[in-house]
Amino acid sequence: DIQMTQSPSFLSASVGDRVTINCKASQNINRYLNWYQQKLGEAPKLLIYNANSLQTGIPSRFSGSGSGTDFTLTISSLQPEDVATYFCLQHNSWLTFGSGTKLEIK
Amino acid sequence: QVTLKESGPGILQPSQTLSLTCSFSGFSLSTSGICVSWIRQPSGKGLEWLATICWEDSKGYNPSLKNRLTISKDTSNNQAFLKITSVDTADTAIYYCARSGITMMVLITFDYWGQGVMVTVSS
Repeated sequence: DIQMTQSPSFLSASVGDRVTINCKASQNINRYLNWYQQKLGEAPKLLIYNANSLQTGIPSRFSGSGSGTDFTLTISSLQPEDVATYFCLQHNSWLTFGSGTKLEIK
Repeated sequence: QVTLKESGPGILQPSQTLSLTCSFSGFSLSTSGICVSWIRQPSGKGLEWLATICWEDSKGYNPSLKNRLTISKDTSNNQAFLKITSVDTADTAIYYCARSGITMMVLITFDYWGQGVMVTVSS
């Protein structure tokens, strides 16, 4: 099984800050990694697919990078509406998720 | 517009069979490249993929739960189903269904999700 280690678990930042969230795979997953945003009581929303492709309709302040085992989700300028939990998904071999990062505004 | 909505019994007793329904619109499970999956999240824990069914009726199951899971679909009524046998308290979770599909010739895994349905196993 491929394990996904996501960090940090909790993040507090100010509006306008650059925010980064990381996922590390236990083995090479090429670029088969997606990032999701989940707000309280809502369905998860796809932000980034295949490591660095922005899903249609997602603001350009969201970006993804990485390949192999190390991946990063970046929010270039944090907005109040970005308060949510973020998680990654590897789909290279079976399907496993990161443990999630809860993002709040300082 | 793609939407998915899960439904289930709410509460059931240990050893019973859990039956879940995913009702969707905006796509067809008979379209090439489309799959629907089930994922769950116990309270305070991470997400776990359970099963996937695709347009041509191929199926995949999480090996750790495979013996207890059955996924199926009703293409005519735009629904997918999951049954979990012999439930116990560890199966208490929010259950989600999610679509995987092809956009601009790229397969995108879990591009749309439902809001989830809470299932509690309790005696």
